Amino acid sequence: QVQLQESGPGLVKPSETLSLTCTVSGDSISGYYWSWLRQSPGKGLEWIGFFYYSGSTNYNPSLKSRLTISVDTSKSQFSLKLSSVTAADTALYYCARENRAFDIWGQGTMVIVSS
Amino acid sequence: QSALTQPASVSGSPGQSITISCTATSSDAGGYNYVSWYQQHPGKVPKLLIYDVSNRPSGVSSRFSGSKSGNTASLTISGLQADDEADYFCNSYTSSSTPRVFGGGTKLTVL
Repeated sequence: QVQLQESGPGLVKPSETLSLTCTVSGDSISGYYWSWLRQSPGKGLEWIGFFYYSGSTNYNPSLKSRLTISVDTSKSQFSLKLSSVTAADTALYYCARENRAFDIWGQGTMVIVSS
Repeated sequence: QSALTQPASVSGSPGQSITISCTATSSDAGGYNYVSWYQQHPGKVPKLLIYDVSNRPSGVSSRFSGSKSGNTASLTISGLQADDEADYFCNSYTSSSTPRVFGGGTKLTVL
């Protein structure tokens, strides 16, 4: 059974870098797209970006200048780094596997941007 | 601004059928058959209901069905149950600079 688990600080100061890690268990990272998504309180879902196991990445243009998604296949982990955060980046952050759709999701981790 | 437009809310009585639409506002989102639908109960993780417009993953009730006509995809829920009360989101591939987009979500109320 494939499981995803997000981890990282729940509080980040404005202008600093938000760093999250998603650990994949029960499956190999190979063969799928792996995405980060977020949901602001009371709002809809926003796709942040993905990487493909071959090494390619694709980011939401609205975040691209601040965003890096990387992978550590030896640890079955992929990570998100979002720099220069503001209060607008406060959200519940999810990692998800994409197999024709976002079929498996992590439980999500809430990140609050505040001083 | 979402490239996929959903009604903010829909409602229905138990046993009835309802349909939620998801309209692509530009051709770069409407041309794909990679539309998926998600159900999200309050405080819960989104759950995949439909992929590739009309396919149900294993374990999803046959009361949920998907279709697409032109630039509009639809999710139909038949035999409404109280537990269907949730938010529903559509997602599509696009050929734009944002390859994955979500609709704004639809809140389903079961009366």
